[in-house]
Amino acid sequence: IVLTQSPGTLSLSPGERATLSCRASQTISRPYLAWYQQKPGQAPRLLIYGTSNRATGIPDRFSGSGSGTDFTLTITRVEPEDFAVYYCQHHGSSLLFTFGPGTKVDI
Amino acid sequence: QVQLQESGPGLVKPSETLSLTCTVTGGSLSNTYWSWVRQPAGERPEWIGRIFSDGNTNYNPYNPSLQGRITMSLDTSKNQFSLELSSVTAADTAMYYCARGAGLIEIWGQGTLVTVSS
Repeated sequence: IVLTQSPGTLSLSPGERATLSCRASQTISRPYLAWYQQKPGQAPRLLIYGTSNRATGIPDRFSGSGSGTDFTLTITRVEPEDFAVYYCQHHGSSLLFTFGPGTKVDI
Repeated sequence: QVQLQESGPGLVKPSETLSLTCTVTGGSLSNTYWSWVRQPAGERPEWIGRIFSDGNTNYNPYNPSLQGRITMSLDTSKNQFSLELSSVTAADTAMYYCARGAGLIEIWGQGTLVTVSS
C-alpha cells in the first residue's frame, strides 16, 4: 500500500482551518489509519488512530475522517503550536506499516 | 507515564554493526510490542521491526536493504530492548527511534542520530 499526501505544504495563518489529505493506493480498513504530528527536532507524536479517534491529550480541534482510500485530518482553527509536519500511516496486517510523505503546515 | 530513551554510538563505520538500546521507565516491558523506527533527515519514518515481551520478533519484510541484517532482543531485568543492524552503509544514516507499539506507534523515544561514516 502506497500512501500519498496532499498538499506537500500548506501555508496558513493562525485561526484558519487546515485540511490535510491522505490517499492510499488500495482500500484501507478504518482501524488501521493513523496520523502523527512532528515538530522540528522532535519525535513524531500520535494524534489520531483508527481514522477518527484522538489519542490521549490531543485537543478536539484535531479530527480525522475518511474511508476506503481517502482520509482527511482537519484542524478546525490552527494554533501557533500546530505548525509542524503531519504524517499519515497505515498499520494493518502483514507487517505493512507504511508512512506517507508528510504535509508541512507552516505560516 | 511511560518514557523511552535510546542510547548507543552516534557514529558507526561502514560494514560494522549498529547497536542501540532503549531503556523504558514508568512501566514494564510486559505484554506489549516494542518497535524500532528510523527516519533519514528530511524523509518519512520507516518501521524497522518489533519485539514482543515474550521475545518474539517481526522485522520489516518489505525493505530489501534490511533483509538479514536486523536483530532485536530484550532484557526484562533491565527493562531494556535492543536493536542491532549489521553491515551498515551510509544509507543507514538516520535518526533512530525506539517506540511502544506493534505498528501503531503510541509512544516514541526522543531519538538518537546515527551516522555511518569512516
